[in-house]
Amino acid sequence: EIVLTQSPGTLSLSPGERATLSCRASQSVSSSYLAWYQQKPGQAPRLLIYGASSRATGIPDRFSGSGSGTDFTLTISRLEPEDFAVYYCHQYGSSRGFTFGPGTKVDIK
Amino acid sequence: QVQLVESGGGLVKPGGSLRLSCAASGFTFSDYYMSWIRQAPGKGLEWVSYISSSGRTIYYADSVKGRFTISRDNAKNSLYLQMNSLRAEDTAVYYCARGLGYCSSTNCYGSFDYWGQGTLVTVSS
Repeated sequence: EIVLTQSPGTLSLSPGERATLSCRASQSVSSSYLAWYQQKPGQAPRLLIYGASSRATGIPDRFSGSGSGTDFTLTISRLEPEDFAVYYCHQYGSSRGFTFGPGTKVDIK
Repeated sequence: QVQLVESGGGLVKPGGSLRLSCAASGFTFSDYYMSWIRQAPGKGLEWVSYISSSGRTIYYADSVKGRFTISRDNAKNSLYLQMNSLRAEDTAVYYCARGLGYCSSTNCYGSFDYWGQGTLVTVSS
């Protein structure tokens, strides 16, 4: 099983600042099959990025994804008030099933 | 618009069974692979199982293998999860989600572009 580690656990920032979230895999994620989701309290997760760097439909361009192999990054260029949430990475390239990272909480400083 | 609506959650005793359903609308259900993902109270996301569009490719997380069974009825646009031998650690909100990808004869590969709002399963005596 591929284990995903996310850092930091919590990121405290102000609106307008840049957020950089990391996701590291215990082994290489094939074909960059790595996605990012945003989840707000009481809501289902929302797909932001798939294929490591492709934005999902309707996602603002302040969200960007990068990386390959074992190291991936989600960047939010300028935080808007609605961006404060928990973010999960998800690998879907393993033949032994899918895994999610433990999440990074982005909260207001 | 795409809609996924889960039902069937509730309170069940350890060792008991429950069947979850997910009603899909707004897209051609038979074209997509589907999955169940769960989230224990205050915890992160855990993938549970997926099933290909035809139902021929199925995979389970080790934590539920042998106890849970995923299935689908394309004529009814519905996804199911039969949960047997339930344990306290199965307590979670269960989400169904649409797969954005493809399946081989043995595995599916794809992120989840639409999610339902979830149904809560509580396993407690």
